[in-house]
Amino acid sequence: DVKVTQSSRYLVKRTGEKVFLECVQDMDHENMFWYRQDPGLGLRLIYFSYDVKMKEKGDIPEGYSVSREKKERFSLILESASTNQTSMYLCASRDREGNSPLHFGNGTRLTVT
Amino acid sequence: AQKITQTQPGMFVQEKEAVTLDCTYDTSDPSYGLFWYKQPSSGEMIFLIYQGSYDQQNATEGRYSLNFQKARKSANLVISASQLGDSAMYFCAMRGPPNDYKLSFGAGTTVTVRA
Repeated sequence: DVKVTQSSRYLVKRTGEKVFLECVQDMDHENMFWYRQDPGLGLRLIYFSYDVKMKEKGDIPEGYSVSREKKERFSLILESASTNQTSMYLCASRDREGNSPLHFGNGTRLTVT
Repeated sequence: AQKITQTQPGMFVQEKEAVTLDCTYDTSDPSYGLFWYKQPSSGEMIFLIYQGSYDQQNATEGRYSLNFQKARKSANLVISASQLGDSAMYFCAMRGPPNDYKLSFGAGTTVTVRA
């Protein structure tokens, strides 16, 4: 069974702090993703990576960056946290095959005060 | 750009009845895939069912079936014989061509099953 692990379930940070959200998957998936989930907006894609050191912007990349130095690990970085980045952050991975579903971590609820 | 629309923010259904969750999509690609996920109050995202654009038959997985109407660009999820444990948020998602790895999600529909 695929396991996607996010390092923190809850985080509280102050405005202006640099924040790191870590995600590790154990199924050798090439593709990894960061989404944020907000009520009424569903899941919106922030960034994704289709291979080590490769990344592409999603729909809402502003204020975020990512790092993928190893295949199993995909990090989301908030360079200078702001209150409008308070949200649930979901990491996911999937195989290259077209019908492969996303496998999600349990999410990190980030509050920026 | 892909767009997924779920027009029902919330629904109530009586236990043991069937419920249909609407999903429409917009894409100009002939090859795409449609997914449904369930998110209970615990927050985990559970994959339910997949339909490929070239699949000849509607997908089914246990009590879940996908009513795929390609010409209307709709991919409605049908849950038969609802159970209390079906109370959750449900998301429709779409993948573009096979070399487009990302999935786009709708806003979700909250289903509450009443005893």
